[in-house]
Amino acid sequence: ETGVTQSPTHLIKTRGQQVTLRCSSQSGHNTVSWYQQALGQGPQFIFQYYREEENGRGNFPPRFSGLQFPNYSSELNVNALELDDSALYLCASSLGGQNSGYTFGSGTRLTVV
Amino acid sequence: GQQLNQSPQSMFIQEGEDVSMNCTSSSIFNTWLWYKQDPGEGPVLLIALYKAGELTSNGRLTAQFGITRKDSFLNISASIPSDVGIYFCAGPFHGSSNTGKLIFGQGTTLQVKP
Repeated sequence: ETGVTQSPTHLIKTRGQQVTLRCSSQSGHNTVSWYQQALGQGPQFIFQYYREEENGRGNFPPRFSGLQFPNYSSELNVNALELDDSALYLCASSLGGQNSGYTFGSGTRLTVV
Repeated sequence: GQQLNQSPQSMFIQEGEDVSMNCTSSSIFNTWLWYKQDPGEGPVLLIALYKAGELTSNGRLTAQFGITRKDSFLNISASIPSDVGIYFCAGPFHGSSNTGKLIFGQGTTLQVKP
């Protein structure tokens, strides 16, 4: 079975631009969570998608939005990029359910200049 | 809000030594998770703890879920060079059991000298 795949691996954007990051979840996994990890910090929960619906959100502004597709792959969109958005963005997928295990991708390193 | 405090922040040890790190919170957690992150990779789950007082091992790793449900520790015995990395504790938000909505500690960086 394939793991969680994220694309692109690295990205440089200018302040004010918009960006879309992609995540292909592990085969059969219907739940995806997105995290932002600033340098030297632990990951911070952005939001979770379950069967194409948002299922909880962390303390991130509305310019962070997401989508989940019928094949359970997912996108994270960030509008009006700010310098502080520079971080490693991680997605993690799971079969869902209480106490289920999540597999993380290797992340997308976003640099905003 | 909920926060997880990890200590120590970093450790530099000799190969073969045992390592201990811990994680504390002012809030109760129903689940404690320990992850390891290598450079350029996402976190990998090492151990999951679901019950207060639970002690669980995974090879040379042992972790415990504190009785108060506000702390956990991770021990690594007989460290080897591939143990190098950043270790994170994590727990689900607001006393839930949704392990996809996690709060992470700030990490303990482990370096092992051969």
